[in-house]
This record gives sequence, C-alpha cells and structure tokens, in this order.
Amino acid sequence: AQRVTQPEKLLSVFKGAPVELKCNYSYSGSPELFWYVQYSRQRLQLLLRHISRESIKGFTADLNKGETSFHLKKPFAQEEDSAMYYCALSSHASGGSYIPTFGRGTSLIVHP
Amino acid sequence: EPEVTQTPSHQVTQMGQEVILRCVPISNHLYFYWYRQILGQKVEFLVSFYNNEISEKSEIFDDQFSVERPDGSNFTLKIRSTKLEDSAMYFCASSEAPLSYEQYFGPGTRLTVT
Repeated sequence: AQRVTQPEKLLSVFKGAPVELKCNYSYSGSPELFWYVQYSRQRLQLLLRHISRESIKGFTADLNKGETSFHLKKPFAQEEDSAMYYCALSSHASGGSYIPTFGRGTSLIVHP
Repeated sequence: EPEVTQTPSHQVTQMGQEVILRCVPISNHLYFYWYRQILGQKVEFLVSFYNNEISEKSEIFDDQFSVERPDGSNFTLKIRSTKLEDSAMYFCASSEAPLSYEQYFGPGTRLTVT
C-alpha cells in the first residue's frame, strides 16, 4: 500500500530563512510525486510535480529514491508562502486516472 | 480563468438525511473526482468518474455514496443516509485528460451532520 508521511504538522520560520518541508513515501512501484498548496481561504492547487523538475515560486523538490523522500525547499521564505502544504503520491490506477494519496499536510507560517 | 465551482459552501443536515453536494467541473475536462477531508485529517480520495461511469473508488466510497453527472455540466455526490462521521469538507476536482497529472480543485463544501 502506498503511504505519504509529512512528519511536521507545523513549521514556523522567519522571512528570509530557508524552508524545508519534509515528505517521505512508501510505494512499491515507480512513484509520481507532487506538492499541493492551499493558501488561506483558497482552494487546493498543484504547486509542482517531480517529473517536470521545475521551480515554482522559488520552491523546488527533488525525488530521492534511496531515501524515499520528496522534500520541498525554498532558500528564502516569504510571508506570502504561509499556507498548508500537502505532499501527494499518485498511482496510475486501472481505470486510467491518477489517484493521489495525500499526506496529512504541513502548515507553514512565515513571520515578518 | 475557468474554475471548478461547488455548491453549497456549507451544508448542515441531520443524521439519517440524504444530502447532495454539487460541483460544476471545468467545461472541457473529462475526469471528475470527489475527495473528503475530515477536520484535522488528510485529504482522502473517494471516487473518480469518466465517460459517465465510476473509474475508481476507495474503500470509503461504500453503498451510501453515489455520484452522477445528470447533465452536461453538474457532477454530484449523494450521501443517502448521513452519519455523524460524514462531517467533513468535500472537494470536487476535475482534470483535462485521462493521463493528466493536474487536477483542479473546487473550494469545497463543508458538510456538518448533527
């Protein structure tokens, strides 16, 4: 069974500090990993996915298969980064769709 | 920019009552999903829907749940006989294509069962 673990429920940093939101997964196949973000009073939205190897809003995430991790990083946090962040793993289901399994989320608070 | 919409934003119902949660996916999307998030817990997949039938469902999606696309725009989740533990935020999502990674989420409906 696939599982996503986000060990930190809350991460509190000051503006300009580096941020790392941890995500570990367990999955027997080749994983597709994502980070979703939910800003206050907004809807859940995709932040980035590992296959595209892109940087969105200064965030990056590298898939480490050896450590089964997909940590989200940003070198200099901004106040507008304060949000709930969810790591998700998708398996390609038999019906053809990608079904994400979400972690419980980490609340990032960036203080001025 | 097109968005997924959900109504109502908040629904209060008594235990044992039926509720219907409504979603309007993005118009050119083909895959539709329902998720729920119990307060303080993680987002959980319920069901996906494609070509007018369920393509995947989780263990949570038991016989008291059903989904329907009654017309060309709405996608509904029905809970036949609500229980206290059905209280949660219910999110609808849609995606463009069967193999699309990106699902676009609605704002959610908060269901409170008393």
